[in-house]
Order: sequence, then C-alpha cells, then structure tokens
Amino acid sequence: GAVVSQHPSWVICKSGTSVKIECRSLDFQATTMFWYRQFPKQSLMLMATSNEGSKATYEQGVEKDKFLINHASLTLSTLTVTSAHPEDSSFYICSARGRQGLGTYSNQPQHFGDGTRLSIL
Amino acid sequence: AQTVTQSQPEMSVQEAETVTLSCTYDTSESNYYLFWYKQPPSRQMILVIRQEAYKQQNATENRFSVNFQKAAKSFSLKISDSQLGDTAMYFCAYTPRGAGNMLTFGGGTRLMVKP
Repeated sequence: GAVVSQHPSWVICKSGTSVKIECRSLDFQATTMFWYRQFPKQSLMLMATSNEGSKATYEQGVEKDKFLINHASLTLSTLTVTSAHPEDSSFYICSARGRQGLGTYSNQPQHFGDGTRLSIL
Repeated sequence: AQTVTQSQPEMSVQEAETVTLSCTYDTSESNYYLFWYKQPPSRQMILVIRQEAYKQQNATENRFSVNFQKAAKSFSLKISDSQLGDTAMYFCAYTPRGAGNMLTFGGGTRLMVKP
C-alpha cells in the first residue's frame, strides 16, 4: 500500500519550454503533497507544500511563478517548470501524506515517488 | 528552526563488516520522530528505520539498528553484516509530532560497500 507514482521519470527538453511533472497517490488520498529538488550528491531541498484544494506554500527562495504547483484532487499534484532553462536541470521528487498522518495508521511521514530527472538543453 | 547534521559526507566499509553513520539534530520539541532513509543509485527514497522520541528503546530492523541518545540529540545508524546492496546515500531526517509531517533532512552520507 501507499504507492506514489511520479511521471515522467526522465525528460529532456529545449530551453524556454514548460515541463509538467505529475505526482499521483495510487491507493490512498493524499491530503498533502510535497515537492523536493535534489542536486547531484546533495540532500533533498523542500520547494513547496501543497494541500488539496488550496494554494501551495513555497519555501523561501523558490519562485512561485517559475514552479507552478497544482493540487486539484486528493490523488494528483502537478509541478510545472515554466520557461525552463539549463539551471533548472535537476532531480525533482514528490511525496504524499495521507489523511491518517504519522503515528496513527502509517509508519511513514511521507510516501515518495521515484523522482523525475529533468534535463534542459 | 530544526536542523539535522550528518558529519560524514562519505564512508566505506568492507562487505560483511559493520558501519555506523552519525546524525545529530537540534530541536526544542520534546515529541518527535527520527528516520533514516536510503537512496540507492536508482534514486528511490526508501525508509530504513524510524524512531519515536518518547520511546527509550532503540529501533531495530534486521541488520539495521539505531543508537538514539535523546539528551545528546544524536541518532546514529548501525549497519551490520554490510552487503553490496547497502551502497547508497543515507539521509537522516526529523519531523516533530503533529507538524504536518514536514521532514527536515540532513546533508546525507554516501556509503560504499566494498567487496
């Protein structure tokens, strides 16, 4: 149980295009989804937190107009990198948290997707 | 603000040997959870072990165990009988209870298991 699917796993596109990454919870309702960015050999950096039906909360230094997050349903959140440039190339990981939360029915605070490798040429 | 520190960027161990990865954290909370995640080259985030701060007993999961020292705010991971498949990045993480499960990650330790 508690599977999170992230798509695509790898995308290469030209500079200036917009790229959409999907994060789906397959067998539970994700009230909260988190988006992380990870540079090579570094830790995960939280970009934003989104709650279903409301606007995402962005971490300091993350451009909300650059990284558009939509969490329109309890099973889907999307991250759109708008007008992508080479410096946006990175590994993006989503995670999801269900209604029950930690300590009640789940032993994990978040369930992670497998990540998306984004390469901008 | 909470911080999580992993002071060992890289470590190596011979297959079948034991290795300990260090983690310290800073928090003013009394009730929280600590985790160790493994990220192999495939880059999946895999939960290895978790510890609840109000439990004095150290968590264990097969070959993985922790040494949780609450007063010292230390949370080290011991891997016994290391296997080649243990080669990965290991991240220590913290979340306070009831905080929406937001995780704070350490910088990671790259572990190489050598044959």
